[in-house]
Amino acid sequence: DQQVKQNSPSLSVQEGRISILNCDYTNSMFDYFLWYKKYPAEGPTFLISISSIKDKNEDGRFTVFLNKSAKHLSLHIVPSQPGDSAVYFCAASASVSAAGNKLTFGGGTRVLVKP
Amino acid sequence: KAGVTQTPRYLIKTRGQQVTLSCSPISGHRSVSWYQQTPGQGLQFLFEYFSETQRNKGNFPGRFSGRQFSNSRSEMNVSTLELGDSALYLCASSPPGGLKTQYFGPGTRLLVL
Repeated sequence: DQQVKQNSPSLSVQEGRISILNCDYTNSMFDYFLWYKKYPAEGPTFLISISSIKDKNEDGRFTVFLNKSAKHLSLHIVPSQPGDSAVYFCAASASVSAAGNKLTFGGGTRVLVKP
Repeated sequence: KAGVTQTPRYLIKTRGQQVTLSCSPISGHRSVSWYQQTPGQGLQFLFEYFSETQRNKGNFPGRFSGRQFSNSRSEMNVSTLELGDSALYLCASSPPGGLKTQYFGPGTRLLVL
């Protein structure tokens, strides 16, 4: 049972344009969502998060949008840079439950930014 | 602040052996979680420790175990290694407080032959 899904395994975008990554979840208990960037054989690097009481959070070039009714979130990267080429993971946690600190990850989206 | 550190970074073992991996969290972080990443299963939660107690556990067999010390450092142990245990093992720590972002270490790459 995949509770967090990233339906696009890969995304190719031109440098300077917008990258939009999508993530869907099924567990209504999830109330905290995070995006991580990962290079091969390295640990995930935290990018940005959003709590379920918000619908948007922005940090520099990164913006995360949350649509609770659709159980959908997205990450926008503007403008995209070649250094953004990596695998991006969406993750969710149910902070008020007994599983509070457990992160459930999506399968990842590989982003390639072309110069 | 120093980040999460994990040792060793790479490890080669043979089937049937056991292995111990170590994780030092970010200073002040008391929660340590462990994850396994494989090509087939993605990133999966193994367990979480807080104040030397296991607080959460994922769906892994009892061969996977862990512990946490009073200084918040954590170890995970895998006994009777199987070929399918070959993976990147990631440790993450999170600060005290409400909504908790987890910060990951570089991982330990385990290869079981």
